[in-house]
Amino acid sequence: AQSVTQPDIHITVSEGASLELRCNYSYGATPYLFWYVQSPGQGLQLLLKYFSGDTLVQGIKGFEAEFKRSQSSFNLRKPSVHWSDAAEYFCAVGFPVYSSASKIIFGSGTRLSIRP
Amino acid sequence: DGGITQSPKYLFRKEGQNVTLSCEQNLNHDAMYWYRQDPGQGLRLIYYSQIVNDFQKGDIAEGYSVSREKKESFPLTVTSAQKNPTAFYLCASSVRDGVNEKLFFGSGTQLSVL
Repeated sequence: AQSVTQPDIHITVSEGASLELRCNYSYGATPYLFWYVQSPGQGLQLLLKYFSGDTLVQGIKGFEAEFKRSQSSFNLRKPSVHWSDAAEYFCAVGFPVYSSASKIIFGSGTRLSIRP
Repeated sequence: DGGITQSPKYLFRKEGQNVTLSCEQNLNHDAMYWYRQDPGQGLRLIYYSQIVNDFQKGDIAEGYSVSREKKESFPLTVTSAQKNPTAFYLCASSVRDGVNEKLFFGSGTQLSVL
């Protein structure tokens, strides 16, 4: 069955420290991969996405993610976090089921807290 | 401006009552989705539709029903069979341009049980 797993429910890092949020998926082929961020009371904002090509993807706000086919992973990274990065982060995976669009499902999210 | 409109923003349901959440898009997207978000949790897929008059169950379809009679409209009915309906409901639509797929979200409906 298709699934998305974010194994870390809550992560706390110090401001200025590096960050890695994990995302794993279960699927027989390469899906479409997304990372979204949701701040308190706000909607979902797309950070970055991967469909094909270079497996290291650059996004907004200094985030990047690397697709590793062998590990079925799409981990989100940032070299130095800022207090404003505190939010909920969702990995999403699109499984192509039709020629025009995909079945898109989300992970359960990782809440990021920043220690001053 | 193109976008997705969800209404109402807040909705209250009485015990045993069916309620319908509206989702309209003028983006000409084929695919539409309904997700449920509970506090501190991710988005769970309820139903999705790829074309008019066709829709598929997501991971938590029990207690919900949908219709897709028009391309621009994908209403979600929360039936009395849904015993825990209090949640934030997000509608989305997507379009695939070659290998590039884009997902657009509405602003959501907060459903509460009286």
